[in-house]
Amino acid sequence: DIQMTQSPSTLSASVGDRVTITCRASQSISSWLAWYQQKPGKAPKLLIYKASSLESGVPSRFSGSGSGTEFTLTISSLQPDDFATYYCQQYNSYSLTFGGGTKVEIK
Amino acid sequence: QLQLQESGPGLVKPSETLSLTCTVSGGSISSSSYYWGWIRQPPGKGLEWIGSIYYSGSTYYNPSLKSRVTISVDTSKNQFSLKLSSVTAADTAVYYCARLNRIQLCPDYWGQGTLVTVSS
Repeated sequence: DIQMTQSPSTLSASVGDRVTITCRASQSISSWLAWYQQKPGKAPKLLIYKASSLESGVPSRFSGSGSGTEFTLTISSLQPDDFATYYCQQYNSYSLTFGGGTKVEIK
Repeated sequence: QLQLQESGPGLVKPSETLSLTCTVSGGSISSSSYYWGWIRQPPGKGLEWIGSIYYSGSTYYNPSLKSRVTISVDTSKNQFSLKLSSVTAADTAVYYCARLNRIQLCPDYWGQGTLVTVSS
């Protein structure tokens, strides 16, 4: 199984900050990586697919990069609506795996 | 607008079988462009993929759950279903159904989720 490791697990930041979350795969997954945002009591929302493609309707302050085993999600200027938990997910094979999550908190 | 809605018992006894159905509206489950899947999230914890199914009936399961999971599809009702046998308290979670792009294999539409508690 491919394991996904996110860091940090918690991140404290202020509105306007540039935020970066990292996701590492236990083996190469090419660019088959997605990022999700989840708010309490809600289903996850797809932000980025294929490592760097922005899902329709997602603000351009969100961006993704990376390939192989190391990936990043960047929020260029954190907005109040962005305080949430973020998950990466690999789909290199038909067996999907999620990372453990990164909670972005208000500093 | 595509909508997915989970339904089923909110309480299941230990050792019994958990059964959930996802009803898809606003789109056809028989579309060749998508898979359909189940994902769960224990209270306060992260996401775990359970398995996926294509409209033809082809299935893919999480290896850690494979021995206990069955996912099926009913194209006439535009529904797909999950059965998880021999449940324990560790199976207590919010269960989500979702649509997965056939190429990207990432869930792009999700149901609202349903909490299933395993308790006697």
